Amino acid sequence: AQTVTQSQPEMSVQEAETVTLSCTYDTSENNYYLFWYKQPPSRQMILVIRQEAYKQQNATENRFSVNFQKAAKSFSLKISDSQLGDTAMYFCALKKSSGDKLTFGTGTRLAVRP
Amino acid sequence: AAGVIQSPRHLIKEKRETATLKCYPIPRHDTVYWYQQGPGQDPQFLISFYEKMQSDKGSIPDRFSAQQFSDYHSELNMSSLELGDSALYFCASSNGLAGNTDTQYFGPGTRLTVL
Repeated sequence: AQTVTQSQPEMSVQEAETVTLSCTYDTSENNYYLFWYKQPPSRQMILVIRQEAYKQQNATENRFSVNFQKAAKSFSLKISDSQLGDTAMYFCALKKSSGDKLTFGTGTRLAVRP
Repeated sequence: AAGVIQSPRHLIKEKRETATLKCYPIPRHDTVYWYQQGPGQDPQFLISFYEKMQSDKGSIPDRFSAQQFSDYHSELNMSSLELGDSALYFCASSNGLAGNTDTQYFGPGTRLTVL
């Protein structure tokens, strides 16, 4: 069985500053995929960023980047220049292979302060 | 770009009633997934379909059933509803041929309230 752990239930950051959300996981697979999804108050699940485990290079998407440490099974999300619209619940998720279900962590609620 | 469509967006039912949730995947996506998110919880996988065949099954109660139709839309049928079924139900779709990433894109969800 695969598991995803997010140890920070809540975090807060000042607007324009940088924040890092932590995620660790456990899987016996050698190849897998990792995702960060954002769920704002509207409850829509929005893809933030994705990482293929076989790629050593960390994924980046504008202000969002990850620190993927395969040996440590760690997948943290860094948000630079935080904006008020980044206020949301952030879920880390793992899937084994193409067509497989997502296993989610329990989420980190991020509040961006003006 | 077209997104996943779910209907209805909100549904209120009484205990022991039935409910049908519908999902229309992104065009050319061949896989549909259903997730249930209770209040304050992370989404839990229920069931998935690939090319109209059930591909995986999670913690879906026997009272629930689902199928994917020839036009790739999917329906989740829920019978003998219980108070604990109140949740946000997400449908997601993916394209298995889109390289190895196979990212799942979520619909807006159906909020089911059982009274």
